[in-house]
Parts: sequence; C-alpha cells; structure tokens
Amino acid sequence: AQTVTQSQPEMSVQEAETVTLSCTYDTSENNYYLFWYKQPPSRQMILVIRQEAYKQQNATENRFSVNFQKAAKSFSLKISDSQLGDTAMYFCAFMKLYRDDKIIFGKGTRLHILP
Amino acid sequence: SQTIHQWPATLVQPVGSPLSLECTVEGTSNPNLYWYRQAAGRGLQLLFYSVGIGQISSEVPQNLSASRPQDRQFILSSKKLLLSDSGFYLCAGTRGIRGSANTEAFFGQGTRLTVV
Repeated sequence: AQTVTQSQPEMSVQEAETVTLSCTYDTSENNYYLFWYKQPPSRQMILVIRQEAYKQQNATENRFSVNFQKAAKSFSLKISDSQLGDTAMYFCAFMKLYRDDKIIFGKGTRLHILP
Repeated sequence: SQTIHQWPATLVQPVGSPLSLECTVEGTSNPNLYWYRQAAGRGLQLLFYSVGIGQISSEVPQNLSASRPQDRQFILSSKKLLLSDSGFYLCAGTRGIRGSANTEAFFGQGTRLTVV
C-alpha cells in the first residue's frame, strides 16, 4: 500500500524567506502523480503544484517549485519569497496513474509566515 | 472546469440523529469520488471512495456509510451519529481520464459537522 509521510508538523519562517517542506512516499508503482495542496484557514483545498512521475523535470509554478527525487521517493516543496498569504496547512498527496485507486494524503505541515 | 457542490456548509446535529451529506459534480463525467474527514488541525482521513455508480470502497469501519446513486452524486450517511463523528468533511473528485497532464483532485467547500 502507498504511504505519504510529512515529517514536519509545523514550521515558521519570516516573510520573504525561502522555506522547504518535506514529503516522502512509498510505492511500488512506476507511474503516478504527486501533488502539493494548500489549505488556508478557509479550509478550501487549493492545488499548488503537480508532478508526473514519468517526467524528470521538476515542476514549477511561480514562487513554488518541487525537488522530485524518484529513486529516493522524495517530493519536497520550496516556497521562495514567502508571503503572509502563504500561511496555511500544506498537504503532500500521491495518486496512481490509473483510475481505480484513491488519493493518499500526508498528515500535513502547518506553515506560518511571520511578518 | 470541474466543480464540486457540497452542502450544507455547517451542520449541528444531536447524538443519535441521522446524517446525510451530499455532493454533486459538474464539468466532468465518470469521476472518482471521495469522502474525507479532517479533525481540527489535522490531516485528511479517507472514509470512502467510489470509481462508479454503486461502487463504494470503505477505508475505515465505523457507523458511516456512502452511496453513489448517480454518476455525479455521492452521499455520506449515518443512521445514528456519535460525538466522535464531529469534524470537517470534504468531498473530492478526480478526473475520469487518467494519464492526462491536467489530472488533479478537486474539492468541495466542506461541511463542518458538530455532534452535540
């Protein structure tokens, strides 16, 4: 069975700094998706970034980028020039490529951006 | 784009009362659908998922049940609520076609359930 582990329950950084959130996963699959989702206080889940395992290039979305290490089964999220609006819970998630399976989430990392 | 409508947003129910939470999907057909529960300040616990009409997989044995009477409708139910059923319930879906570069999960707004 797939598992997703986020080892940092909570983090705090100063505004404008760079922060990296860790995520490791375990799977025997070769093709899958990895995601980072943001959940602000409103509790609405927002997709931050997506990575397809069959793509070697790390995904990037503006200030958000990932370091995808397939062999190490590691998928960290880097937030550059952090902003107060980045304060939220962040979830790492795994999904197989094929339809008959569930999305597995990590337990989340609560990120505080300090003014 | 895909949208999940989930209601109600907030619900206060007495212990022992029944529950019915519903979500409906727009913008895609044949989605996988999921019910998650989130305790305050904690992660997402998968309760049920469905790959099609009438097909339900249960992840956690408890007094909750789920049904999928239509392709785009997913219902979470209970005959008798317990105090421990309090939490934030999220309905989620994924696109029916895997392998797409745009595959992702999309979420409803959630229901905050308080059992008193």
